[in-house]
Amino acid sequence: QKEVEQDPGPLSVPEGAIVSLNCTYSNSAFQYFMWYRQYSRKGPELLMYTYSSGNKEDGRFTAQVDKSSKYISLFIRDSQPSDSATYLCAMTKTSGSRLTFGEGTQLTVNP
Amino acid sequence: DTAVSQTPKYLVTQMGNDKSIKCEQNLGHDTMYWYKQDSKKFLKIMFSYNNKELIINETVPNRFSPKSPDKAHLNLHINSLELGDSAVYFCASSQVGGINEQYFGPGTRLTVT
Repeated sequence: QKEVEQDPGPLSVPEGAIVSLNCTYSNSAFQYFMWYRQYSRKGPELLMYTYSSGNKEDGRFTAQVDKSSKYISLFIRDSQPSDSATYLCAMTKTSGSRLTFGEGTQLTVNP
Repeated sequence: DTAVSQTPKYLVTQMGNDKSIKCEQNLGHDTMYWYKQDSKKFLKIMFSYNNKELIINETVPNRFSPKSPDKAHLNLHINSLELGDSAVYFCASSQVGGINEQYFGPGTRLTVT
């Protein structure tokens, strides 16, 4: 069993839709949770991070962590074609330790 | 200004050959990584160096050998290439401490024929 599970999709939505991306994990030691965005033929880039449980909002993006359920989510409001990318969740046990990535979800937002 | 750069961007080679990929970062970071991303987009860590010292060495065939001449460079040499080595290889760097935000290079797309 993988430490981090993420539905690879693909996920296709119309412009303006609310998108929900999710990951589950098995290791309760994970404390830091991140979302990376990877455009086609580019390297991943950090989009958002949260520490422990709770919500964090940044513009159209909201990251949620529920440690009791070992479940994290990324919501994208008013999705745009420019949001079309692969979204990878990542998590780590302590500050500065190695990241464990999910498989990535491929998202397409259609104009 | 390119933060993390890799060369070459594309590499097509035949089975059995030996090849190298180079990585440089100008962010002043202490830690550098090599990741392999397969066709399904799964990103798997291979190696990590901190100040030229190997700190992560995942279960990778010993045909893969990283070398860090200084903390701004981390190269990857691959001997006796196999078809299964075809993938995109990403270099990344991060600063010690903090949340370990990793900055990735553009990737090297390796195709072994």
